[in-house]
Amino acid sequence: TAGITQAPTSQILAAGRSMTLRCTQDMRHNAMYWYRQDLGLGLRLIHYSNTAGTTGKGEVPDGYSVSRANTDDFPLTLASAVPSQTSVYFCASRGQGWETEAFFGQGTRLTVV
Amino acid sequence: QQQVKQSPQSLIVQKGGISIINCAYENTAFDYFPWYQQFPGKGPALLIAIRPDVSEKKEGRFTISFNKSAKQFSLHIMDSQPGDSATYFCAATTNTGFQKLVFGTGTRLL
Repeated sequence: TAGITQAPTSQILAAGRSMTLRCTQDMRHNAMYWYRQDLGLGLRLIHYSNTAGTTGKGEVPDGYSVSRANTDDFPLTLASAVPSQTSVYFCASRGQGWETEAFFGQGTRLTVV
Repeated sequence: QQQVKQSPQSLIVQKGGISIINCAYENTAFDYFPWYQQFPGKGPALLIAIRPDVSEKKEGRFTISFNKSAKQFSLHIMDSQPGDSATYFCAATTNTGFQKLVFGTGTRLL
């Protein structure tokens, strides 16, 4: 089934450790996004990429980095995790054009202790 | 700073009633306004969307009303059903430069 896949589904991470959240899509979408979802704060954009080789900062980029080596993969890295990064992380992708639908992964629930 | 402000945070509606969720934005460069629906444990999924050159768009029981001069748009759910219980997000994006897709804070509808 075509779509967007995130891994892992959930993770408990010790503060100070690094971690990479994986995101892969097979729809050949140009644009990809990382959001974090926190109660009362909605979906906040962390980083985005309009095409392979380019990335941009969203609303809450501090403490996170991304890369876009190819069209399909858009990993999110936490270099040194802190408890405030406890959240549910969603990856999304969109096709060409700004009116296209964004497709979301199933999310990664991350707990930093 | 939230680029899209959404209210209310939560909403309880009787079966058969009308649910109304409101959003407001500041960035006049935004030119596409989708609404997403999210069920527990799932990622958001597109529900309905509108462009600013249209004042209203209806799909089944769901209607978006758009007021460009006030920079506001709203989602109306007619004949609300228990299966509509979910979190609803308004969003906005622009066709210029990087195509950021920014979301409101969400409304939990019961």
